[in-house]
Amino acid sequence: GAVVSQHPSRVICKSGTSVKIECRSLDFQATTMFWYRQFPKKSLMLMATSNEGSKATYEQGVEKDKFLINHASLTLSTLTVTSAHPEDSSFYICSARDARVWDGYTFGSGTRLTVV
Amino acid sequence: GDSVTQMEGPVTLSEEAFLTINCTYTATGYPSLFWYVQYPGEGLQLLLKATKADDKGSNKGFEATYRKETTSFHLEKGSVQVSDSAVYFCALTPQRDDKIIFGKGTRLHILP
Repeated sequence: GAVVSQHPSRVICKSGTSVKIECRSLDFQATTMFWYRQFPKKSLMLMATSNEGSKATYEQGVEKDKFLINHASLTLSTLTVTSAHPEDSSFYICSARDARVWDGYTFGSGTRLTVV
Repeated sequence: GDSVTQMEGPVTLSEEAFLTINCTYTATGYPSLFWYVQYPGEGLQLLLKATKADDKGSNKGFEATYRKETTSFHLEKGSVQVSDSAVYFCALTPQRDDKIIFGKGTRLHILP
């Protein structure tokens, strides 16, 4: 079945630095990928929709300049948390849609970001 | 806007007990409904889905029926196992939209 690889699984960074998270579809092409943030004891919140070759669509309240999304190819989307702060610490999950399967969303295993 | 509400956890049951995790939704039109499961240390996996009213999704002994009249999609299993311990997310995709909207998740603990 469709596989989405997300890397790194865990990252610790210092305040003020930037962190890049990669999301790759391994055996299918994904024209659309999604980035979610999971807060403790809260639901997954959609941050943005990433479309290959065009600008990402951000949800209301998500800072575009802070969470940079690039979807340069049909198999790779990246999320860069710029100038990270402790409040950015969270669990980030990507999802890719396999166009061959209706409602075929496949999720990455997530990235635990800790900003110290 | 569209939303999903599911029962808060954690839910702790003994092995072979009957499981129900309640899920209700708010959405216009006819959304598709899903249950996803997240096992410890792993990513989200689709457990089952239903795309229209009265559809029943089923997988691995779990079932959920799309109830339009009560806007519900409750997850049930007749006899749970220790290996079912995980976090379960109810979710929907609005009609004519790519987004997935998740509930908060329900952590399930099954005791041997």
